[in-house]
Amino acid sequence: SAVISQKPSRDICQRGTSLTIQCQVDSQVTMMFWYRQQPGQSLTLIATANQGSEATYESGFVIDKFPISRPNLTFSTLTVSNMSPEDSSIYLCSVEGGEKLFFGSGTQLSVL
Amino acid sequence: AQSVTQLDSQVPVFEEAPVELRCNYSSSVSVYLFWYVQYPNQGLQLLLKYLSGSTLVKGINGFEAEFNKSQTSFHLRKPSVHISDTAEYFCAVSDWGFKTIFGAGTRLFVKA
Repeated sequence: SAVISQKPSRDICQRGTSLTIQCQVDSQVTMMFWYRQQPGQSLTLIATANQGSEATYESGFVIDKFPISRPNLTFSTLTVSNMSPEDSSIYLCSVEGGEKLFFGSGTQLSVL
Repeated sequence: AQSVTQLDSQVPVFEEAPVELRCNYSSSVSVYLFWYVQYPNQGLQLLLKYLSGSTLVKGINGFEAEFNKSQTSFHLRKPSVHISDTAEYFCAVSDWGFKTIFGAGTRLFVKA
């Protein structure tokens, strides 16, 4: 199993600012995934982050808005840039382990 | 590309009654199939998964699902539900790299 520490757990931000979310895993993993769960909705995959290469973004998500770093096999960050109220959501870090996904506790972001 | 369709957004059911939550998927390649559950105010956890082998998969808390390749379905069932089964259930499909796509979710509401 994998234990994922994600921080901050929640934040309230002003429009136009940026927030960086950190994800730390207690074991080395090849791929890390970033998801968004908007209020009352399902999880939407933002991007897949591999160590040593550029993140792969899903349709509708771009690097300028959601830059991702993956400096080593246990850590990743997701930045939500130039935020607007529409970015209010829960952001989740996830890793694969034992043929299933493990999720961090999430970052609840509110943009005013 | 893969996609997941959960046919019911909400399923109300009385306690001790049977329940089926429906899920259909589409993919051009072999996939892995999952059901995740999200209890109120909690993170996602795996309920069960199908990777290969027997098409009937048993999971935690008495749930089971059957993989039907010809109908591209992976419906979740439980013969007798409990109040504590009230939660959001997500069907998901992933490729070999565990890039996972989630359905819209089905809210199971168990009534006394």
